[in-house]
Amino acid sequence: AQSVTQLDSQVPVFEEAPVELRCNYSSSVSVYLFWYVQYPNQGLQLLLKYLSGSTLVKGINGFEAEFNKSQTSFHLRKPSVHISDTAEYFCAVREGNTGFQKLVFGTGTRLLVSP
Amino acid sequence: EAQVTQNPRYLITVTGKKLTVTCSQNMNHEYMSWYRQDPGLGLRQIYYSMNVEVTDKGDVPEGYKVSRKEKRNFPLILESPSPNQTSLYFCASSGRGDTRNQPQHFGDGTRLSIL
Repeated sequence: AQSVTQLDSQVPVFEEAPVELRCNYSSSVSVYLFWYVQYPNQGLQLLLKYLSGSTLVKGINGFEAEFNKSQTSFHLRKPSVHISDTAEYFCAVREGNTGFQKLVFGTGTRLLVSP
Repeated sequence: EAQVTQNPRYLITVTGKKLTVTCSQNMNHEYMSWYRQDPGLGLRQIYYSMNVEVTDKGDVPEGYKVSRKEKRNFPLILESPSPNQTSLYFCASSGRGDTRNQPQHFGDGTRLSIL
C-alpha cells in the first residue's frame, strides 16, 4: 500500500532564506505526486503536481519540486521565502493504477517564516 | 466565483445527537470527497462520490454516512457522534480532466467538537 512520509513536522526559517520541505513516498507502481498548502483557517490549495514528463515541476508562489524516482522523493523547495508563506504543507500521492481519488496525504509540515 | 461551501464552520455538540455537515459546490463537478484532518495524521479520506447516487468508502468510513442525490451536494452524516469524531472536516470536489480527477477545490473546513 502506498504511504507518504513528511519527516519534518515543523520547519522554522528566516524571511528571504531558502527552504526545502521533504516528502518521501512508498509505492511499487507508478505514482502521481502533489503538494498542497493550507493557510490558517482555510482549506487546501494545490501548489503543484507531478504526473509525468520533466521531473522538475514548478508551481504557484515560486515553489518547485523535484521528483526522484530512485529515492522515492518529491521534495518541495523555494529559493527565498516570504512571511506570507507561513502555512502547513501537505504532500500527497496517488498510485497510477488505483481508482479515482485514492489520494494518500502525509502528516504535513508547518513552515514558520520569521522576519 | 468557483467554490466549495461547507456548513456549519464550527459545531459543538454532544455524544449521540445526530448531525449533518453540508457541502455544496457550484462548479458542476462530478467528483466529491470528505476528509478529516487530525494532528499528526494529516488528511484521511472518509467517503467519496464519483457522481450522483455513486458513493464509496474511503480509509476511515466507520461512524459516517453520505448521500449524493444531487450533483452539487454531498452531505456528511454522523448518526450517533462520538468524541473520537472530534476533528476538522474538509469537503473537496473536482471535475473531469482536472489534474487527472484529483481534488483541487477544498472547502474551508468544519470544526466539530463532540462532548
